[in-house]
Amino acid sequence: AQTVTQSQPEMSVQEAETVTLSCTYDTSENNYYLFWYKQPPSRQMILVIRQEAYKQQNATENRFSVNFQKAAKSFSLKISDSQLGDTAMYFCAFRPLDSNYQLIWGAGTKLIIKP
Amino acid sequence: GAVVSQHPSWVICKSGTSVKIECRSLDFQATTMFWYRQFPKQSLMLMATSNEGSKATYEQGVEKDKFLINHASLTLSTLTVTSAHPEDSSFYICSASSGGAPRWGQPQHFGDGTRLSIL
Repeated sequence: AQTVTQSQPEMSVQEAETVTLSCTYDTSENNYYLFWYKQPPSRQMILVIRQEAYKQQNATENRFSVNFQKAAKSFSLKISDSQLGDTAMYFCAFRPLDSNYQLIWGAGTKLIIKP
Repeated sequence: GAVVSQHPSWVICKSGTSVKIECRSLDFQATTMFWYRQFPKQSLMLMATSNEGSKATYEQGVEKDKFLINHASLTLSTLTVTSAHPEDSSFYICSASSGGAPRWGQPQHFGDGTRLSIL
């Protein structure tokens, strides 16, 4: 079975610091997609970043970047220059290539940015 | 683009009543929509996958007769919680994909969720 593991239930950092959230997954698939979603206190799910497994280059979106290690099945999210608005639950999700869009979710990491 | 509207955002009702939640894709056609349930401080739990014009596919353990899903058009899916009881109180979220083959990597786009409280 395919699984996604987020080993950090909660993290907190000072504003402007850099923080890395970990995510590992288990699959026998070779091609798939990985996502990070953010859920702030408003509970809206917001796509942060997406990575295609067949691309070796790590995805970046402004202050957000990933460290994708395919062999290790690791997909960590780095947030640079953290801001108070980054406080949220962060969910890592996996999707096989031909899965009818269905996602497999990690348990989430609660990130708190302190002023 | 890719906006999903979910309504209502919050509903309180008495035990035994039925509640309908709507999920609309506003600016794209969604052949597939998903319904999730989320308990406090937990991840999303997939309840069912809804394909336009066909019966929904329910996850194991989800009661089909309790949670009725209808996906009658490419822009609207509804979840009806029938004869709701306090244990059905939860946060329900829908999502939709903006079309194309799944292998194209299009992400799911989420509604803002519905907080359901059954008294």
